[in-house]
Amino acid sequence: DAGITQSPRHKVTETGTPVTLRCHQTENHRYMYWYRQDPGHGLRLIHYSYGVKDTDKGEVSDGYSVSRSKTEDFLLTLESATSSQTSVYFCAISGGASIDTQYFGPGTRLTVL
Amino acid sequence: GESVGLHLPTLSVQEGDNSIINCAYSNSASDYFIWYKQESGKGPQFIIDIRSNMDKRQGQRVTVLLNKTVKHLSLQIAATQPGDSAVYFCAENIEARDYGGSQGNLIFGKGTKLSVKP
Repeated sequence: DAGITQSPRHKVTETGTPVTLRCHQTENHRYMYWYRQDPGHGLRLIHYSYGVKDTDKGEVSDGYSVSRSKTEDFLLTLESATSSQTSVYFCAISGGASIDTQYFGPGTRLTVL
Repeated sequence: GESVGLHLPTLSVQEGDNSIINCAYSNSASDYFIWYKQESGKGPQFIIDIRSNMDKRQGQRVTVLLNKTVKHLSLQIAATQPGDSAVYFCAENIEARDYGGSQGNLIFGKGTKLSVKP
C-alpha cells in the first residue's frame, strides 16, 4: 500500500458522535486525499491537501472537515456522524515521480448506527 | 470490501484466457488515465497508467489501449489467473497540472468485476 496506513481500520459509532480518521504516509508525498466508496458509486473525493495546512474541498465535502499539520498525516473528521456517512473511507497520496498517480491506503470501514 | 462488487458489470473468464476490460471516459480534455485493481476488503492498487500522447502501453501481463477518438480505454490481461479476480476500474485526470499549478482531480469509473474460473 505504498507506505500508507489508515487508522482505525474498522469503527462502529452512533449518530451524532464525532469521529476522526487518520491517514499516515511515509513517502513524503505532497498531495493527500480522502475518498469514500459506496456501492453503486465510484470513489468520490471528500477533501484533499496540497501541502501542510493547505486543503480544499472535493465533490462530497459536506459534513466533513480535514486537517494537515504535518506532511505525513492527514486527518478526516466527521463532526457529528450521520448514518449516510456509513462507508468505506480511503486515503490516497500522490507527488512522487508522477504527481497524477494516486496510491491508496487499505481503507477504514465506518458504520454509523 | 465485498460491497464494492455489488451491482457491477461482471466479466467471467476461464483461467489462462485473455481478459479485456473496457472503460468509457467522460472528458475529451482528459490527458491522463489509470487502471486500478481492487480486491475484496483492500484498497485500490495501481496497475498501469497512460498519457494522452500514447495509444498503447504495456506492463507485465497487462496492456492499456487508449482510443481518444471514441473516448475509450481498455485493459487487457494476458493469461488470466485466479489471483486476477477483483474489481477493475479506470480513472481519468480532467485537469493537467504541474507542481506549481492547480490541483487536478481523478474521476473514477464504477468498475467491472472480473471473475476467473479455474
